[in-house]
Amino acid sequence: SQTIHQWPATLVQPVGSPLSLECTVEGTSNPNLYWYRQAAGRGLQLLFYSIGIDQISSEVPQNLSASRPQDRQFILSSKKLLLSDSGFYLCAWRYPSGGGFLGEAFFGQGTRLTVV
Amino acid sequence: EDKVVQSPLSLVVHEGDTVTLNCSYEVTNFRSLLWYKQEKKAPTFLFMLTSSGIEKKSGRLSSILDKKELFSILNITATQTGDSAIYLCVGASGTYKYIFGTGTRLKVLA
Repeated sequence: SQTIHQWPATLVQPVGSPLSLECTVEGTSNPNLYWYRQAAGRGLQLLFYSIGIDQISSEVPQNLSASRPQDRQFILSSKKLLLSDSGFYLCAWRYPSGGGFLGEAFFGQGTRLTVV
Repeated sequence: EDKVVQSPLSLVVHEGDTVTLNCSYEVTNFRSLLWYKQEKKAPTFLFMLTSSGIEKKSGRLSSILDKKELFSILNITATQTGDSAIYLCVGASGTYKYIFGTGTRLKVLA
C-alpha cells in the first residue's frame, strides 16, 4: 500500500534561518507531488507542484523553493525564513493524471512551522 | 479567479443531529469536486463527485453535486462526537490543480 511520510512534525525557527522540509512517498512510482501551506482561517494554498524528477512548477512567488531529487522525494526549502512563512505545511501525492478525471490527493501529516 | 466558498464557516450541533455543509465553486476547466475531513493534521479523503445528481454515500455521510448551479452539499446524519472536524471542499481543475475552500468547522457536542 502507498504511504506518505513528512517530517519534522513541528519546527520552531528564527527569522533569517534556513528551512528544509522533506516528504517521501512509498508504494507507488512517478507520483505527482504537491506542497501546500495552510494559514489560520484560510484554505490550503498551493505552493509547488511536481510531475517528475526536477520538474517543479511554482504557483506563488515567495521566499520558498522546492526540489525533487528522486522520484518519490519532495523537499521544501528556504534560504532565509520570514515571519510570514509561519504556517502548517502539507505534502501530498496523487496518481499521475491520465487526462481523465483528476482523482484525489493523499496528504502527509504536516509540519507546523513557527518562525520567531 | 478560481474560488471555492463553503458555508457555514462553523457549526455547533448535538449528537444525533443532521447537518448539511454547503460548497459553491467557480473553477475553470472543472474536473471534479472532492470532500475531505481534517481533524488534527492530514486531510483525509471522503468523496469525489464528477456527475450531477448522483449521490455518493458512505455510512452516515452523503454528498451530491449540481454542475449547473456549481454547488455541492455534504450531509451527515445522526452526528457523533467523532464527526467533529474541519470539512474541506475542493475543486479539481485541469490536469493538476486543486482549489480548496476555507472549510467548515463542525463541532458535535455529546
